[in-house]
Amino acid sequence: EVQLVESGGGLVQPGGSLRLSCVFSGFTFRSYAMNWVRQAPGKGLEWVSYISSSRSTINYADSVKGRFTISRDNAKNSLYLQMNSLRVEDTAVYYCARGLIVNNYYYYGMDIWGQGTTVTVSS
Amino acid sequence: QSVLTQPPSVSGAPGQRVTISCIGNNSNIGAGYDVCWYQQLPGTAPKLLIYGNVIYGNSNRPSGVPDRFSGSKSGTSASLAITGLQAEDEADYYCQSYDSSLSARVFGGGTKVTVL
Repeated sequence: EVQLVESGGGLVQPGGSLRLSCVFSGFTFRSYAMNWVRQAPGKGLEWVSYISSSRSTINYADSVKGRFTISRDNAKNSLYLQMNSLRVEDTAVYYCARGLIVNNYYYYGMDIWGQGTTVTVSS
Repeated sequence: QSVLTQPPSVSGAPGQRVTISCIGNNSNIGAGYDVCWYQQLPGTAPKLLIYGNVIYGNSNRPSGVPDRFSGSKSGTSASLAITGLQAEDEADYYCQSYDSSLSARVFGGGTKVTVL
């Protein structure tokens, strides 16, 4: 069974740091691009960051650029999001999501999502 | 303000057909980038519902998604249709594409579907 499990969320003060992790099972992790997507309380989905399967391409939303760093360890089937200089507006549920591949075509969409981990930034 | 614009809510009676629009521009949907639709039931993670592009068509469904759900695209807009509306379809729905001017994946603001 394909499964993604996020961890690392919690309560942090403004200006603080957190590192989120996402562990995969049930598929060949190294073949897939990965994303982080977040959802603030009562709000819609916001894409945060993308990393290609080979790490050659990394993108960030403008709202987190310069503060967040995405990385992956294919040997450990793991995806990470290092979050620094956290702000109140970063409060959200953070989801890791697998990039969609169909017939060797790499879509910009996401087909498998984790259950999410909650990050709360508050003093 | 989302790059892709969706109506905040739509509603319909059981058995009816409802459509959700997703309006973009020539940097995203109009440029031919993929359009995906997601369903998010209360308290759960989003689920991929429809995916599509100019090569393979705009209404592809992952295994397990009922054929009551279909997608379409015209110009700078896309639409999700739900036919034979059921109580279990009550959820939030999001469109998503890629925007070349932002170099970013972008979501619509979401549409809440209510079954009357």
